[in-house]
Amino acid sequence: QVQLQESGPGPVKPSETLSLTCTVSGDSISSFCWAWIRQPAGKGLEWIVRMCRSGGTTYNPSLNGRVSATLDTSKNQLSLRLTSVTAADTAVYYCARENVVPGHYNSGIDVWGQGTTVTVSS
Amino acid sequence: DIQMTQSPSSLSASVGDRVTITCRASQHLDRWLAWYQQRPGRAPKLLIYAVSSLQSGVPSRFSGSGSGTDFTLTINSLQPEDLATYYCQQAVSFPLTFGGGTKVEIK
Repeated sequence: QVQLQESGPGPVKPSETLSLTCTVSGDSISSFCWAWIRQPAGKGLEWIVRMCRSGGTTYNPSLNGRVSATLDTSKNQLSLRLTSVTAADTAVYYCARENVVPGHYNSGIDVWGQGTTVTVSS
Repeated sequence: DIQMTQSPSSLSASVGDRVTITCRASQHLDRWLAWYQQRPGRAPKLLIYAVSSLQSGVPSRFSGSGSGTDFTLTINSLQPEDLATYYCQQAVSFPLTFGGGTKVEIK
């Protein structure tokens, strides 16, 4: 059974850099694609990034180049860095597995972590 | 970006009712439309992918239909555990986008 566990700093000060890690167990991150998605309290879901070992990395342009994400196959972890954070970046951040082979099939975001809450506040 | 518009934004129904949620996309989606259920305080859960394919382990009372830009999630015989917010999501182009959600309450 695939499980994803996010870890993060909790509170972050405005203008600082947010760093999150997601540890994957029960599957290799060399398979499938992987995503970060966030959700402000009481609001909807915003997709941030898709990372595929063989298909590259695609970011949401709405984050204006502030985001970078990587796959660490040696640790079976995903990571996310978001720079110059503001209160608008306060949200629950989820890592997730995308069951997709680009250009062939897309079976949805089928495994989600429990989410980690990030609060941007001075 | 492809805009996803869900309606209604909320609804209240009784146990055993049939519930229908609509999702309209601003562009043609082919078959790349998924539905998710998010129970209070929990992460989203995949219900339906590719418009109408039921994710493994999801009860058969959930079904999806539609084509082009208009899609529907139907819950046949609503159950108390279906109290949740439901989201549609397009996967035809980047950035992937979600609908605003439909909150389902039990009368």
